Amino acid sequence: EAQVTQNPRYLITVTGKKLTVTCSQNMNHEYMSWYRQDPGLGLRQIYYSMNVEVTDKGDVPEGYKVSRKEKRNFPLILESPSPNQTSLYFCASSLEQGYGYTFGSGTRLTVV
Amino acid sequence: GEDVEQSLFLSVREGDSSVINCTYTDSSSTYLYWYKQEPGAGLQLLTYIFSNMDMKQDQRLTVLLNKKDKHLSLRIADTQTGDSAIYFCARGANFGNEKLTFGTGTRLTIIP
Repeated sequence: EAQVTQNPRYLITVTGKKLTVTCSQNMNHEYMSWYRQDPGLGLRQIYYSMNVEVTDKGDVPEGYKVSRKEKRNFPLILESPSPNQTSLYFCASSLEQGYGYTFGSGTRLTVV
Repeated sequence: GEDVEQSLFLSVREGDSSVINCTYTDSSSTYLYWYKQEPGAGLQLLTYIFSNMDMKQDQRLTVLLNKKDKHLSLRIADTQTGDSAIYFCARGANFGNEKLTFGTGTRLTIIP
């Protein structure tokens, strides 16, 4: 089944403890992206990648890192999480411009 | 995203038509999308329209685009309880990186 898989689905962590949210897609898509969803703000793009080793900042990149070493994987790294990064995170992938994104099921992160 | 705006809530009687509206500010947007998010799930691409089109119909869904007013709407005919969800409008950038800017989402509630 064609899909975007994120792990974990839920995560509670403490301030300052490094964490990684994994994302993998099995559709051979070029584009991948991370979004965060917050009430009243819709979805805001954190980082995106147009291909292996090609990444760029989205609208809210502060406090996040990404890497794209393989086409299928696009992990999101929080080196020192803070409570304002408590949010619902979505990974998404797209074949090319105009096809729209296929979204993962989301990761609900709570930083205490 | 401030440059994509939607009303937060809409209530419609079962069997009536729902019309969800969206306005955007960036006239260079090439693609415009509608996504549906059901509770606890990721976003599902419903439909999209290219900026050189005025209308697109797909079964119960009709998308209307008024480029002059930068206004996009999604009409759902014969609204059913399964249509209850949050609907997001999104615009695509014009430079091939599939960077989508989302609205805040409209929560559609169906009244039996």
